[in-house]
Amino acid sequence: DAKTTQPTSMDCAEGRAANLPCNHSTISGNEYVYWYRQIHSQGPQYIIHGLKNNETNEMASLIITEDRKSSTLILPHATLRDTAVYYCIVRGSSNTGKLIFGQGTTLQVKP
Amino acid sequence: GAVVSQHPSWVICKSGTSVKIECRSLDFQATTMFWYRQFPKQSLMLMATSNEGSKATYEQGVEKDKFLINHASLTLSTLTVTSAHPEDSSFYICYAGELGKNIQYFGAGTRLSVL
Repeated sequence: DAKTTQPTSMDCAEGRAANLPCNHSTISGNEYVYWYRQIHSQGPQYIIHGLKNNETNEMASLIITEDRKSSTLILPHATLRDTAVYYCIVRGSSNTGKLIFGQGTTLQVKP
Repeated sequence: GAVVSQHPSWVICKSGTSVKIECRSLDFQATTMFWYRQFPKQSLMLMATSNEGSKATYEQGVEKDKFLINHASLTLSTLTVTSAHPEDSSFYICYAGELGKNIQYFGAGTRLSVL
């Protein structure tokens, strides 16, 4: 599975959009980009995933560059409850495949 | 939606005892489940892949005789930490993928403290 690179930490003001970048320059054609987050002392929570098209759901939007070498997770109106560690993971299409976690980005939403 | 239930959520045990952690898929079948371990302020590290009806596959450096995995049905995988020691104190998390869908679900995790 391709490795990902994320900033270690980011701050965001409450109510503003949080844009979390991820580099995955070695991604292959059949690999998806997944985003999870982990709030302190809880299991990771699925946010969104995509292959090459931009995706949006009730939690977030995922913007994938045309060359697929990077992506951005957007939380449109961050709240204090969005403070968490966000993980960007690249993985093949099989849903029985393992997820390999990097260090993630610690997002701190501030009032 | 699909849910993965993990039990217990928190356990304290004495050094040398064994602890069993259960991971259940509540409304879907999972032929494969995964077990992770997370130490404080670190990321999740994959320990093993649990396969229904066959032996688990362990990641490099994980002792299979210490971390026993059983996946006897399509909805249940168990991780047994045998002869636990204080260095085994950690947050253990499982996850499973629903057949035919490209989403995986994590359990809430089990915090193990070995005294």
